[in-house]
Amino acid sequence: GAGVSQSPRYKVAKRGQDVALRCDPISGHVSLFWYQQALGQGPEFLTYFQNEAQLDKSGLPSDRFFAERPEGSVSTLKIQRTQQEDSAVYLCASSTDRGSVADTQYFGPGTRLTVL
Amino acid sequence: QQPVQSPQAVILREGEDAVINCSSSKALYSVHWYRQKHGEAPVFLMILLKGGEQKGHDKISASFNEKKQQSSLYLTASQLSYSGTYFCGTEKGSARQLTFGSGTQLTVLP
Repeated sequence: GAGVSQSPRYKVAKRGQDVALRCDPISGHVSLFWYQQALGQGPEFLTYFQNEAQLDKSGLPSDRFFAERPEGSVSTLKIQRTQQEDSAVYLCASSTDRGSVADTQYFGPGTRLTVL
Repeated sequence: QQPVQSPQAVILREGEDAVINCSSSKALYSVHWYRQKHGEAPVFLMILLKGGEQKGHDKISASFNEKKQQSSLYLTASQLSYSGTYFCGTEKGSARQLTFGSGTQLTVLP
């Protein structure tokens, strides 16, 4: 079956531009996560949705970062007024969230954002 | 707090064994292991749960020592396809998000 897909795969933005990154989770997956991965580092949590509800946004680095999942499926991560330090790979993951802990998170290929 | 992985990097010959460790200073509920190849998505390997048993598939297995808050990933008779960066992700209590270590870069040479 189809896995998690993300678009675009690569995005180059000039400093100050707004960008929107899209995530299509595995069909039927309730939970959706966004992570940021800097070069040579592990992914770092940004935000978490259960269906359309954003239950945790504690990892968003600033108020320039905004995420939504209005219909409980596709999610968009928006970054306003991009800065060079925003350059990273943005990973999306989804899980079934059957109500038990330790559900497997399946990752998409990521969007590599470069801010010039 | 980020779990600590060791070693940071390891180079093996095909057929050799390797152990990757992941430790945390916080009480853990579960440990998730992933492998990521350059430019690709992290691929799920296995989950170890608090109170659970050692898990494995094929020639990759892992253990979870609750007292030490440590997990180890064992790769036996390594294959070229095992090359990549291995990450452990830890989950605490009811929080769903994973906190990842900085990774162990594994290179298997022919």
